[in-house]
Amino acid sequence: DSGVTQTPKHLITATGQRVTLRCSPRSGDLSVYWYQQSLDQGLQFLIQYYNGEERAKGNILERFSAQQFPDLHSELNLSSLELGDSALYFCASSVGSRGTDTQYFGPGTRLTVL
Amino acid sequence: KNEVEQSPQNLTAQEGEFITINCSYSVGISALHWLQQHPGGGIVSLFMLSSGKKKHGRLIATINIQEKHSSLHITASHPRDSAVYICAPGGGGADGLTFGKGTHLIIQP
Repeated sequence: DSGVTQTPKHLITATGQRVTLRCSPRSGDLSVYWYQQSLDQGLQFLIQYYNGEERAKGNILERFSAQQFPDLHSELNLSSLELGDSALYFCASSVGSRGTDTQYFGPGTRLTVL
Repeated sequence: KNEVEQSPQNLTAQEGEFITINCSYSVGISALHWLQQHPGGGIVSLFMLSSGKKKHGRLIATINIQEKHSSLHITASHPRDSAVYICAPGGGGADGLTFGKGTHLIIQP
């Protein structure tokens, strides 16, 4: 158990809908990272927050947004969903903001868009 | 963009064999992560390397920053080592981590 929690575990929805994925980091960790893993693209970095502020941005679509709250939990919002958004979404947390910090991964949320 | 190549893509070996997985990347970095993903999907961080060599149990990871290459070795492999191993070069830049496609390892008893 990494100490990182993600909810929900599974999510099935329809095209055009909007969903919110939630992540709680390990106690004491200030950084939260979001990743997408699909069959064709593999793992991709989406976005990083550190202590409430956006720190780094990767291949995140404009239809997706994220935020980190004062209690350090983070939410990833996916809107106008398309079939291609079906994937595993992982969050990870680390103590600091640098890529040289060990990241602890949550169990993932499996999103299926029908 | 950092181009990451892992080899082999697939590897089947017998229990007890010494396993080597290689990772090459195109852009200089300050750190590289090795991750393990089990069939259930969960990801575990095995190593974060910025230079030299690290050892944890039967796992050894090495990195040559100048040659942009890292290797993950498993000694005395066991069926429970069966998983996908992913290398991820990075280092705190604005682009975050880049991931290799992974090496699918199967250890047969």
